[in-house]
Amino acid sequence: QSVLTQPPSASGTPGQRVTISCSGTSSNIGSNTVNWYQQLPGTAPKLLIYSNNQRPSGVPDRFSGSKSGTSASLAISGLQSEDEADYYCAAWDDSLNGWVFGGGTKLTVL
Amino acid sequence: QVQLVQSGAEVKKPGASVKVSCKASGYTFTTSYMHWVRQAPGQGLEWMGLITPSGGSTSYAQKFQGRVTMTRDTSTSTVYMELSSLRSEDTAVYYCARAQDWGWSAKFDYWGQGTLVTVSS
Repeated sequence: QSVLTQPPSASGTPGQRVTISCSGTSSNIGSNTVNWYQQLPGTAPKLLIYSNNQRPSGVPDRFSGSKSGTSASLAISGLQSEDEADYYCAAWDDSLNGWVFGGGTKLTVL
Repeated sequence: QVQLVQSGAEVKKPGASVKVSCKASGYTFTTSYMHWVRQAPGQGLEWMGLITPSGGSTSYAQKFQGRVTMTRDTSTSTVYMELSSLRSEDTAVYYCARAQDWGWSAKFDYWGQGTLVTVSS
């Protein structure tokens, strides 16, 4: 059971906009920033969004993040087939004194 | 360019220990932190802990306290993660991941390719 809660799956058609939610508590998302990672099949995770809504160099602006209270969201606009991957949210947990992840959301592009 | 290259796959028996290495290049080894994250087959990511390459201080997730040891060798820019008393539930891909900050502000900006550890009798 993951500390952060994500829907196990999401889907969309090419060009569509999809959002993935991540729910936490006051000890993690409620008091710290959220990062998002993309994991393509058979590869290591890749940093996608950090500090709630910042994109590392090279990440397309189709990807955006937001946070409100104890929840965060990842939005992908102009969905493309290469976006098919697993997406994980992560945050520091002050009570556990460590990093916690969501269980991951498998995005399917129909 | 930053690269983290991990050691190869391992097969261990229950009760044994495994030591995975992660060799860093392309940046100043002692100016960042190295984390370890594992992923069981078909499962999500799980943070195990971190080591500060400069001084060797460590911080481990509560779940792994007493079973995990992270060390580093600054002469070869390599960090190690040793997990003892292995059980079948430890079968997973183990990743090293670099972060340039400590604690809540950290972001894992580079990852190793992963090392599959299989625990089986």
